[in-house]
Amino acid sequence: GAVVSQHPSRVICKSGTSVKIECRSLDFQATTMFWYRQFPKKSLMLMATSNEGSKATYEQGVEKDKFLINHASLTLSTLTVTSAHPEDSSFYICSARDYPGRNEQFFGPGTRLTVL
Amino acid sequence: DAKTTQPNSMESNEEEPVHLPCNHSTISGTDYIHWYRQLPSQGPEYVIHGLTSNVNNRMASLAIAEDRKSSTLILHRATLRDAAVYYCILRGTYSGGGADGLTFGKGTHLIIQP
Repeated sequence: GAVVSQHPSRVICKSGTSVKIECRSLDFQATTMFWYRQFPKKSLMLMATSNEGSKATYEQGVEKDKFLINHASLTLSTLTVTSAHPEDSSFYICSARDYPGRNEQFFGPGTRLTVL
Repeated sequence: DAKTTQPNSMESNEEEPVHLPCNHSTISGTDYIHWYRQLPSQGPEYVIHGLTSNVNNRMASLAIAEDRKSSTLILHRATLRDAAVYYCILRGTYSGGGADGLTFGKGTHLIIQP
């Protein structure tokens, strides 16, 4: 199957700093990527849909100015957590489809963010 | 999205078959039934999907009730590596526009005993 990578796999930062997480589709082009967040012992929650060449679509309750998404190419989407606070500590996971409408969605390995 | 209901946890023995149930009584005619699983500290992994007919692949089988209000994921011979949270997700027919994220429920935590 298609492979999605994320970098970094783990990051620890101080409160108030910004953190960028990269999501790459390694062997396919993805016009759309998705960002999820997962708190400990909870399920994944969709944060936003990242569209190549256009603005991201955010789910209700997700602050677009705090979680900046850039989908500059067909293989890369980035999520920047701005002015991170301890409550932003979570497991961030991206996913992509290799073509629109495909049933199978490919997930990255996730990025563990800890804000001190 | 239509809601799914799964048991919180299930336990099985290694090398035995596992049947993971999912209820989706409000499923619409165009909803596909998807199963993903998530191993500890990893991103989810696609397992299988179906619409009306039973489906088989190298990982599992999916049995869909005739009225489509329930389905069962079948792992034919569980191994310790199958210990994960299994999510049953409904997804409607893609209508374009890119908005195609998945709605995850709580899933079933599958415990495999050696």
